[in-house]
Amino acid sequence: AQSVTQLGSHVSVSEGALVLLRCNYSSSVPPYLFWYVQYPNQGLQLLLKYTSAATLVKGINGFEAEFKKSETSFHLTKPSAHMSDAAEYFCAVSVPGTSGSRLTFGEGTQLTVNP
Amino acid sequence: AAGVIQSPRHLIKEKRETATLKCYPIPRHDTVYWYQQGPGQDPQFLISFYEKMQSDKGSIPDRFSAQQFSDYHSELNMSSLELGDSALYFCASSLAGVPPLHFGNGTRLTVT
Repeated sequence: AQSVTQLGSHVSVSEGALVLLRCNYSSSVPPYLFWYVQYPNQGLQLLLKYTSAATLVKGINGFEAEFKKSETSFHLTKPSAHMSDAAEYFCAVSVPGTSGSRLTFGEGTQLTVNP
Repeated sequence: AAGVIQSPRHLIKEKRETATLKCYPIPRHDTVYWYQQGPGQDPQFLISFYEKMQSDKGSIPDRFSAQQFSDYHSELNMSSLELGDSALYFCASSLAGVPPLHFGNGTRLTVT
């Protein structure tokens, strides 16, 4: 079974600083990986996805993530944090070709951006 | 662009009552997924449907059932509600074989 682990349930950065949210995955086969953002009382919005093409994936709002097979990681980064980036971020994994293509989510990382 | 529509947005029920949540997928999407997100928790997969047939099953309680209709909308039926069922319930849709990229805004169920 596939799983993801997000290191750090809370991350706090200053406005303009680098954002780094960590995600490690476990899968017996090459996975698809995703990052979602969730604002309070709202749904999940897809930031970016890795589906076995380029290992460096660019997403919306200036975020990007790099798939590193050797490290089983898919960390999310943004060069300069903005106040509007404060939200909950979820890393998720899916195994292609399996029935239903369900997503399995990590426990989430709450990002706080300080002025 | 059309998104996944869920209704109602908020629902308050008492213990032992029944609730029905509805999900309308993005047009032409044939697969629907249901997730449950408890307070401060990550979303947990409940069940999915493809072409009106159950395609995958997760941690869905026996008190819950779901189905997908001919117009591809789906309903999650929850009976004998318990306080622990209070959560945000998300629906997502996709084309067959594609992970759910598009989520609705969820239904917040509160059981009192």
